[in-house]
Amino acid sequence: GESVGLHLPTLSVQEGDNSIINCAYSNSASDYFIWYKQESGKGPQFIIDIRSNMDKRQGQRVTVLLNKTVKHLSLQIAATQPGDSAVYFCAESRMDSSYKLIFGSGTRLLVRP
Amino acid sequence: GAGVSQSPSNKVTEKGKDVELRCDPISGHTALYWYRQSLGQGLEFLIYFQGNSAPDKSGLPSDRFSAERTGGSVSTLTIQRTQQEDSAVYLCASSLAGLAGVGEQYFGPGTRLTVT
Repeated sequence: GESVGLHLPTLSVQEGDNSIINCAYSNSASDYFIWYKQESGKGPQFIIDIRSNMDKRQGQRVTVLLNKTVKHLSLQIAATQPGDSAVYFCAESRMDSSYKLIFGSGTRLLVRP
Repeated sequence: GAGVSQSPSNKVTEKGKDVELRCDPISGHTALYWYRQSLGQGLEFLIYFQGNSAPDKSGLPSDRFSAERTGGSVSTLTIQRTQQEDSAVYLCASSLAGLAGVGEQYFGPGTRLTVT
């Protein structure tokens, strides 16, 4: 499949380490945030979401942190595995028009064996 | 069950030609979305369908772009008189509802369009 984002920022981590991927969002009116994972040749896959009335949400091996003061979002992946290698996108929207996602430019995560 | 499918997976066309891209959403999903992803960029919203209606077409880049959805299922994105800047991956997504649970958008694999 095709690859996207050949010039994306890249985070390289050792297998088993924790990964932190950061995202700055643009719209102070955004109140809903999502992280997506995109593997080469595939469409984005939902990982985890968070609403603006929360500052932290945990899933399986993943945690999303939201800092509304500085409009910053992060995705933490615990015990990173080779299968986590992909491009990760944050997306923002407003709950009153939640169909309209505004995507960030993405970060490529490479997991070294 | 089957996910979102798109066809063709790759399309190479000459500048000035028209192209049609097809999306088959997940059965029963009432909402359908089209996005465009250029190299090195995130996804750009194009249009949203709820059933056969498109409440929001604001993301379509120009009047050369149009989309329709029939029978509340299959959607076609048409680009007329293609230009080189139209080269991108066109992604389709579907969800059960348009106004809630945006995180439940399921994406297809995309159509890579190259305009020569």
